[in-house]
Amino acid sequence: QQQVKQSPQSLIVQKGGISIINCAYENTAFDYFPWYQQFPGKGPALLIAIRPDVSEKKEGRFTISFNKSAKQFSLHIMDSQPGDSATYFCAATDSGAGSYQLTFGKGTKLSVIP
Amino acid sequence: ETGVTQSPTHLIKTRGQQVTLRCSSQSGHNTVSWYQQALGQGPQFIFQYYREEENGRGNFPPRFSGLQFPNYSSELNVNALELDDSALYLCASRRTGANYGYTFGSGTRLTVV
Repeated sequence: QQQVKQSPQSLIVQKGGISIINCAYENTAFDYFPWYQQFPGKGPALLIAIRPDVSEKKEGRFTISFNKSAKQFSLHIMDSQPGDSATYFCAATDSGAGSYQLTFGKGTKLSVIP
Repeated sequence: ETGVTQSPTHLIKTRGQQVTLRCSSQSGHNTVSWYQQALGQGPQFIFQYYREEENGRGNFPPRFSGLQFPNYSSELNVNALELDDSALYLCASRRTGANYGYTFGSGTRLTVV
């Protein structure tokens, strides 16, 4: 049972381009949606997060767009750089469940080519 | 902040054996979660400990167990290892009240042969 579906599985973007990764969720109890960045040999690191009461959140070159009615959210990376090459995971959590456990998507491997 | 440290970084075990993975969290991080990340997949929640008690568990069998200690360290124990247990095991910790502020360790890569 995959509660968070992520696409695409892999993405190749030229330097300076826009990277877009999409996620869809099923559990309407989810109320916090973070994105994690993972480099090889490292654990995931929180990149940016959004709550469902806003439709967009921007931090530097990273923007989350959120569509509550469609149960979808996406990560946009503007002016993509080779240093952004990593695997990106969307996630969701239900604060009402008490443990704040994260449900992750399967990940998107981003390659930014010079 | 010293971050979250996991040991060992790599481990090879034989099917049927038992393994203990260790995690050292930051001071003040009294909630610790463990995740299993299979190759090419997202992390999956195994369980969580708060003040040395398990307070959340994912869809993992009882042969996955854990301990949390007062010094902000914790263990993940897996008995009767199966080939499908081969994965990266991640420890994540947070302070009470920082409900979304997880810090992940770099993980332990377990290979079961």
